[in-house]
Amino acid sequence: SAVISQKPSRDICQRGTSLTIQCQVDSQVTMMFWYRQQPGQSLTLIATANQGSEATYESGFVIDKFPISRPNLTFSTLTVSNMSPEDSSIYLCSVAQPGTGYGYTFGSGTRLTVV
Amino acid sequence: QKEVEQDPGPLSVPEGAIVSLNCTYSNSAFQYFMWYRQYSRKGPELLMYTYSSGNKEDGRFTAQVDKSSKYISLFIRDSQPSDSATYLCAMIVNQGGKLIFGQGTELSVKP
Repeated sequence: SAVISQKPSRDICQRGTSLTIQCQVDSQVTMMFWYRQQPGQSLTLIATANQGSEATYESGFVIDKFPISRPNLTFSTLTVSNMSPEDSSIYLCSVAQPGTGYGYTFGSGTRLTVV
Repeated sequence: QKEVEQDPGPLSVPEGAIVSLNCTYSNSAFQYFMWYRQYSRKGPELLMYTYSSGNKEDGRFTAQVDKSSKYISLFIRDSQPSDSATYLCAMIVNQGGKLIFGQGTELSVKP
């Protein structure tokens, strides 16, 4: 299965600042996904990132707040902009797992705390 | 109403017990069903996946899907302390589509 490296693993940030999270995959993938997992909650899809096109955002998430880049088939970044304490969450990237058709592999996540 | 409902627990069982984890869903279009295991401070790990209704077994784990009842289950036989984790059900309509998760059930297996 694909191996995903996500950086940073954790960070503590001041409100009003921005953090860029990196996701590197060891194989080429068409679609990458970004999720948020708030404390004690399940995973919520933020957006889908396809190489060479604009990311598609889910209801409640906007590009100005969560800009995404997808420069090639193995890499993506998610920026959390103008952060507030409500943005404190775990952010995870995910890719469709080769061979299963519908299984998804997740990175280990970025644990963000906004103070 | 959430698309996928899962009892968050926590669920505590003794070592060796049979564990039953369940999810219900409302969207009859879901066709692919998955179970993920998430250890503390880790990303979710794909445990099992099934297509449509039926059973699938992998070692101590059995996944069941009943599309007529919109109900899926994960059974863990001979549970071990290393099985202590949060288990999330997830499902999608089509391959490559949006993955919808349940809330996750926190399981603790006591030695």
